[in-house]
Amino acid sequence: DAKTTQPPSMDCAEGRAANLPCNHSTISGNEYVYWYRQIHSQGPQYIIHGLKNNETNEMASLIITEDRKSSTLILPHATLRDTAVYYCIVRDSNDYKLSFGAGTTVTVRA
Amino acid sequence: GAGVSQTPSNKVTEKGKYVELRCDPISGHTALYWYRQSLGQGPEFLIYFQGTGAADDSGLPNDRFFAVRPEGSVSTLKIQRTERGDSAVYLCASSHGTHNNEQFFGPGTRLTVL
Repeated sequence: DAKTTQPPSMDCAEGRAANLPCNHSTISGNEYVYWYRQIHSQGPQYIIHGLKNNETNEMASLIITEDRKSSTLILPHATLRDTAVYYCIVRDSNDYKLSFGAGTTVTVRA
Repeated sequence: GAGVSQTPSNKVTEKGKYVELRCDPISGHTALYWYRQSLGQGPEFLIYFQGTGAADDSGLPNDRFFAVRPEGSVSTLKIQRTERGDSAVYLCASSHGTHNNEQFFGPGTRLTVL
């Protein structure tokens, strides 16, 4: 019962920005948007999260639309090591568990 | 520093057998989570511990599954009378606190039931 919709797959070129979309049209006011990624044969890894303001850290930027119904994760300079499944997750501020959907399989090509 | 570790990394067992999967969380993390990931799908929540107690075990599929965390650190996921459908990667995560805190995942245990 994931609350997000993501494209199943996308390719991007090494060194270019990768823009990963996520729709969460039923998000409520106290729900955050989280992004995790999972590299093959590893556990998921936290990337970033936000409520309504855009966020940036050393890994990525998160752009949330003003109505909060969608967001975009931006990997500014994709490398081959960024090839992974990327999960967009909506999580209530009072919740502790993560509800993963199928995610987007991102393949970075040289 | 050391991350979350899980042992064994792979476990092959026969249908009907009992298995135990171990998780060593990051030192000092009070919250511990178990998830299960089937091939081609995202992880699914199984159980959550806050300290020694299971605060939410609503994700456990049936009573063949049980988990403990007796001293508030290491946790063991126990599966009785294993079935072929139990084959999956079992992931453990820990966090410092719960709400809005980053969960750190281990590499998982791949369980194969023949």
